[in-house]
Amino acid sequence: EAEVAQSPRYKITEKSQAVAFWCDPISGHATLYWYRQILGQGPELLVQFQDESVVDDSQLPKDRFSAERLKGVDSTLKIQPAELGDSAMYLCASSFGRTSMNTEAFFGQGTRLTVV
Amino acid sequence: GNSVTQMEGPVTLSEEAFLTINCTYTATGYPSLFWYVQYPGEGLQLLLKATKADDKGSNKGFEATYRKETTSFHLEKGSVQVSDSAVYFCALRVGAAGNKLTFGGGTRVLVKP
Repeated sequence: EAEVAQSPRYKITEKSQAVAFWCDPISGHATLYWYRQILGQGPELLVQFQDESVVDDSQLPKDRFSAERLKGVDSTLKIQPAELGDSAMYLCASSFGRTSMNTEAFFGQGTRLTVV
Repeated sequence: GNSVTQMEGPVTLSEEAFLTINCTYTATGYPSLFWYVQYPGEGLQLLLKATKADDKGSNKGFEATYRKETTSFHLEKGSVQVSDSAVYFCALRVGAAGNKLTFGGGTRVLVKP
């Protein structure tokens, strides 16, 4: 069964260090999303790609966060420098459709980041 | 803007009890509505969805009806099992907003044997 792959599953990093997460969406899925889920809250969108282009990064803290999807397939989310408040679950999701809102978004298992 | 409000948990139930989780929304446009479930340490799984008013989504004994007049999408299950213990998220998606999902805060459900 096709699934969204994320790595690492868990990451502990010190404050002010750089950290990166990787996501491989389901093959053929044009749209890729990165969400941040703070403990006890619902996920919030950080960035959305359609193919290799950014569609929405309005909630991405661009002073420290960056995301790329160079070939329109896998994607990397980077934080530099990490802050204590960045501790959260980072979820990647993908969907097949480009414009249809009825296509299902499939989520990966997430990367749990702890900043110490 | 778009937002989802769902009842706060935790909701603690005995096995075979009836479960209801309330969800209401505000949206600019005509949303599709979703319920996702998250088991401990895992990502989100789509539980059910409804794309237009009066549609009923159903899966694994769970049901939710899209009520446009009350802007609600309450989740129900007639007889819960211990394996239903998880966090449940209500979400909406509006095409004009780039198809991104907007989530509620989640409701933790604990089913005791």
